[in-house]
Amino acid sequence: DAGVTQSPTHLIKTRGQQVTLRCSPKSGHDTVSWYQQALGQGPQFIFQYYEEEERQRGNFPDRFSGHQFPNYSSELNVNALLLGDSALYLCASRPKGLLNSPLHFGNGTRLTVT
Amino acid sequence: AQTVTQSQPEMSVQEAETVTLSCTYDTSESDYYLFWYKQPPSRQMILVIRQEAYKQQNATENRFSVNFQKAAKSFSLKISDSQLGDAAMYFCAYRSARGFGNEKLTFGTGTRLTIIP
Repeated sequence: DAGVTQSPTHLIKTRGQQVTLRCSPKSGHDTVSWYQQALGQGPQFIFQYYEEEERQRGNFPDRFSGHQFPNYSSELNVNALLLGDSALYLCASRPKGLLNSPLHFGNGTRLTVT
Repeated sequence: AQTVTQSQPEMSVQEAETVTLSCTYDTSESDYYLFWYKQPPSRQMILVIRQEAYKQQNATENRFSVNFQKAAKSFSLKISDSQLGDAAMYFCAYRSARGFGNEKLTFGTGTRLTIIP
């Protein structure tokens, strides 16, 4: 049973470009959350998706947007990349119907903006 | 807004000894969850232990236990019989219990734990 899978593992982009990161939740999970982890910091909540809608959002600008598909997978899009967007982006999922269940995290995508 | 503070950027412990990692938090809510996550070099966040604020009894998972002091807003992690595989970044995290739409985790800045053979 695959856990939370994220792609790509690493990528390098240039300032001003756009990037799309992908996440497939664990089997039986339907809620997906995204976190940004800058070097040496704890993860910061970006947003959460459930039933293909954004349900909660952290303090991130509109350059950060997302999408959830009918199969529960999700994408994180970042436009007009800044050097400060360089970070590890973590995806997490929660089991269907288990509101209080802990999140399961993927291994993250390391984004470097040059 | 809730905040989580980990005041120990780095800790080290001799293999087989016991170590305690500190965490304090600030919230105006009375019902919430607290977590300790471990992040090894593989980068995946792995849940170590969780505590519900309404439970007075401290959570325990094998060699891992917590000291939850609700009034002091303190939530420390004790690792007994430390093993080489325990070496990682440890993050303390808070989550509201208000339910759907309030599920975000607020993390501290982490403590890097080194195990000395």
